[in-house]
Amino acid sequence: QVQLVQSAAEVKKPGSSVKVSCKASGGTFSSYTFVWVRQAPGQGLEWMGRVVPLFHTSTNGQNFQDRVTISADESTSTAFLDLSSLRSEDTATYYCAAYSATSGGLDYWGQGTLVIVSS
Amino acid sequence: SYVLTQPPSVSVAPGKTARITCGGNNIGSKSVQWYQQKPGQAPFLVIYYDTDRPSGIPDRFSGSTSGNTATLTISRVEAGDEADYYCQVWDTSADHEGVFGGGTKLTVL
Repeated sequence: QVQLVQSAAEVKKPGSSVKVSCKASGGTFSSYTFVWVRQAPGQGLEWMGRVVPLFHTSTNGQNFQDRVTISADESTSTAFLDLSSLRSEDTATYYCAAYSATSGGLDYWGQGTLVIVSS
Repeated sequence: SYVLTQPPSVSVAPGKTARITCGGNNIGSKSVQWYQQKPGQAPFLVIYYDTDRPSGIPDRFSGSTSGNTATLTISRVEAGDEADYYCQVWDTSADHEGVFGGGTKLTVL
């Protein structure tokens, strides 16, 4: 059973960057793929991308090809989401989630990190 | 990119059966997952591989797919089932990117 604990909420200025972390415990870090999903206020879930620590690869979602960097640090069992050139539309709760090779879906979720972009 | 379509809302009386649909081109050929999300909480997997339930999910929750529609069925609906429900598939044409439906708000009358 994997527990995912995310970093605290952030308030950022437009044009700046934010880095959200997701620390995993209770499982073998490299056995999982970590995914980032965001949810704007009152809106649905949006896939941002994933990182596969075992293969040191990451893939951005089609809607996040340019401003997003997803990475993982196996030494600290932590996945990261970097979002740059922030704009007000990026105000959302950002969730990390994890699944294994035998999973059908996103089995484990972090508690979410609220990022507010405001001048 | 692959698109999933859900009705914005479904209402059902307690004890009755709720059916939430998820439409997508030939969705029957894909693996469909369903997530429940209550206000202020992270989503929670309730169905995977179209019909399977993670441990701890009551058998009142079931899933099915046929043709262009996947369906989440909740039998004997309880007040605690009131939540948003999202379907999700893996888009094999886009490097197995995850795709979510727009979500359906289930209201228990």
